[in-house]
Amino acid sequence: SQQGEEDPQALSIQEGENATMNCSYKTSINNLQWYRQNSGRGLVHLILIRSNEREKHSGRLRVTLDTSKKSSSLLITASRAADTASYFCAMSSGSARQLTFGSGTQLTVLP
Amino acid sequence: GAGVSQSPSNKVTEKGKDVELRCDPISGHTALYWYRQSLGQGLEFLIYFQGNSAPDKSGLPSDRFSAERTGGSVSTLTIQRTQQEDSAVYLCASSLVRDSLGGGYTFGSGTRLTVV
Repeated sequence: SQQGEEDPQALSIQEGENATMNCSYKTSINNLQWYRQNSGRGLVHLILIRSNEREKHSGRLRVTLDTSKKSSSLLITASRAADTASYFCAMSSGSARQLTFGSGTQLTVLP
Repeated sequence: GAGVSQSPSNKVTEKGKDVELRCDPISGHTALYWYRQSLGQGLEFLIYFQGNSAPDKSGLPSDRFSAERTGGSVSTLTIQRTQQEDSAVYLCASSLVRDSLGGGYTFGSGTRLTVV
């Protein structure tokens, strides 16, 4: 199945540093999305990048997509303590209606 | 409503009992999804509803799990004869577009189910 793998599983950085999280997947995608989850509850949609796009920005977020390597990365610049959360990539593939989520990266930003 | 509403937020039940989890999606969202998330894990797809079409039940882990969506709005996920391995956070999401091609999901805050 189209299961995403995220790397690293956990990341701890100092406030003000940049955080980079990576996502790899197995089959071709329609789009790839990133979500944030606080305290094991509901997820919040951050950004969507389509298969024909290579880079997208939203505020302090930068997402890249390399379909030849079947990978995506999420960069959070100038991190803040409030960015502490789990981050998930999610893939839309083929005719499947539902998103398939990656395993998540737990980001801790130390003040 | 303004967001996706799930109830209850927490549920503790005894092994063998049935439970019902409710999801009230954003008004006008035609697609509704149920996922579950075990402690420290990613999201596992359970079931998908789109308008009046037959639901995609391919993710339901056993016949003890069922779900319905009445009037194209509120959905109920029912787990019969609960087992300890059913303990997880059950998340509901809805989306405006017909499928996931066009945009992201809006998630509820989830129901944390604990089977003792």
